[in-house]
Amino acid sequence: RKEVEQDPGPFNVPEGATVAFNCTYSNSASQSFFWYRQDCRKEPKLLMSVYSSGNEDGRFTAQLNRASQYISLLIRDSKLSDSATYLCVVARYNQGGKLIFGQGTELSVKP
Amino acid sequence: NAGVMQNPRHLVRRRGQEARLRCSPMKGHSHVYWYRQLPEEGLKFMVYLQKENIIDESGMPKERFSAEFPKEGPSILRIQQVVRGDSAAYFCASSPQQGDTGELFFGEGSRLTVL
Repeated sequence: RKEVEQDPGPFNVPEGATVAFNCTYSNSASQSFFWYRQDCRKEPKLLMSVYSSGNEDGRFTAQLNRASQYISLLIRDSKLSDSATYLCVVARYNQGGKLIFGQGTELSVKP
Repeated sequence: NAGVMQNPRHLVRRRGQEARLRCSPMKGHSHVYWYRQLPEEGLKFMVYLQKENIIDESGMPKERFSAEFPKEGPSILRIQQVVRGDSAAYFCASSPQQGDTGELFFGEGSRLTVL
């Protein structure tokens, strides 16, 4: 079983749609959680951190449920520029701070 | 302030040759990570280094792969006797210190093709 699992998609949605991505992680010792974005297999870039209390950044909302070991990302009012692969990421700092990446969920926003 | 610099961006090798990939972290960053991304797959952790030290190499294949981050100069990922299965994008990332911000700054990657 992969340590971080995501639905690979692709998710094909029209502009303006709301889309949600889910992610589960297997190691309960995971300490920090993030969403990264990767465009056309270029370098990944941090989108946002994920906190237990939930956090929002504009059209993006991230949630963490530690009990269920589940992370989500909600994108409202999708834009064409949101088309990318969204990577769910967990970290454990007692192992040197490395980030463990999920396979990624591909999003394609159509006009 | 230049970002993480990787070179070469593209590298073609024949089976059995050696590949050397270089990574210069962002200025002021002392932590370097190497990841590999196979076609149609996610990023897989390979190794985490600080200056002159390998901190975690749990993701490195046991044979043919090695990494270093010398006191002076870039970090080097070395693959000896390459095979077709080594064809992938190799990303380097750096951070200023081990912390919980989660932000690794990635280079543009080195794409290795083994013929």
